[in-house]
Amino acid sequence: GAVVSQHPSRVICKSGTSVKIECRSLDFQATTMFWYRQFPKQSLMLMATSNEGSKATYEQGVEKDKFLINHASLTLSTLTVTSAHPEDSSFYICSAKIPAGDEQYFGPGTRLTVT
Amino acid sequence: AQTVTQSQPEMSVQEAETVTLSCTYDTSESNYYLFWYKQPPSRQMILVIRQEAYKQQNATENRFSVNFQKAAKSFSLKISDSQLGDTAMYFCAFMKISNFGNEKLTFGTGTRLTIIP
Repeated sequence: GAVVSQHPSRVICKSGTSVKIECRSLDFQATTMFWYRQFPKQSLMLMATSNEGSKATYEQGVEKDKFLINHASLTLSTLTVTSAHPEDSSFYICSAKIPAGDEQYFGPGTRLTVT
Repeated sequence: AQTVTQSQPEMSVQEAETVTLSCTYDTSESNYYLFWYKQPPSRQMILVIRQEAYKQQNATENRFSVNFQKAAKSFSLKISDSQLGDTAMYFCAFMKISNFGNEKLTFGTGTRLTIIP
C-alpha cells in the first residue's frame, strides 16, 4: 500500500514552454502533498505544500507564478513549470501524506531537462 | 526553524561490516519525529527507520538501528552486516508534530554510502 506515482518520469522541453508534472496517490487519499526539487548530488529542497481544495503554501524564494501547483482532488496534485528555462532543469519529487498520518510517501521523481 | 546537519558527505565500508552515519539537529520543538531515508541510484526515496522523540527506546528495523540522544540532539543510524544493496544516499530528516496534519520534512544534506564488495 501507500504508493505514489509521478508522470512523466522524464521530460525534455524547449525554453519558454510550460510543462506539467502529475503526482498521484494510487491507493490512498492524500489531503496534503509536497513538492521537492533536487539538484545533482544535493538534498531535497521543499518547494511547496499542497492541500486539497486550497491554495498551495510556497517556501521562501519559490516563485508561485512560475511553479503553479493545483491539488484538485484527494489523489492528484500537479506542478506546472511555466516559461521554463534551462536553470529549471532538475529532478522534481512529490510526496503524499495520509490524513492524520505522520509519514510521507514519495513518488519516483521526474527529471526535467529544459533545452 | 529547524536545521539538520549531516557532517559526513561520503562514507565507504566493506561488505558485512557495520557502519554508523551521523546526524544532529537543532529545534526548539518538544514533539517531533526523526527519520532516516535512503535514496538509491534509482532516486526513489525509501523510508529506512523513524523515531518518535517522546520515546526513549531506540528504534530498530532488522539490520538498521538508531542511537537517539535527545538532550544532545543527535540521531545516528547504524547499519549492521552491510550489504551491497545498502549503497545509496542517506538523508536524515526532521518533522515537528502539530494538529494541522501538514507538517513538512526538513532534510539534512545527505551522506553518500558505498558498500565495497
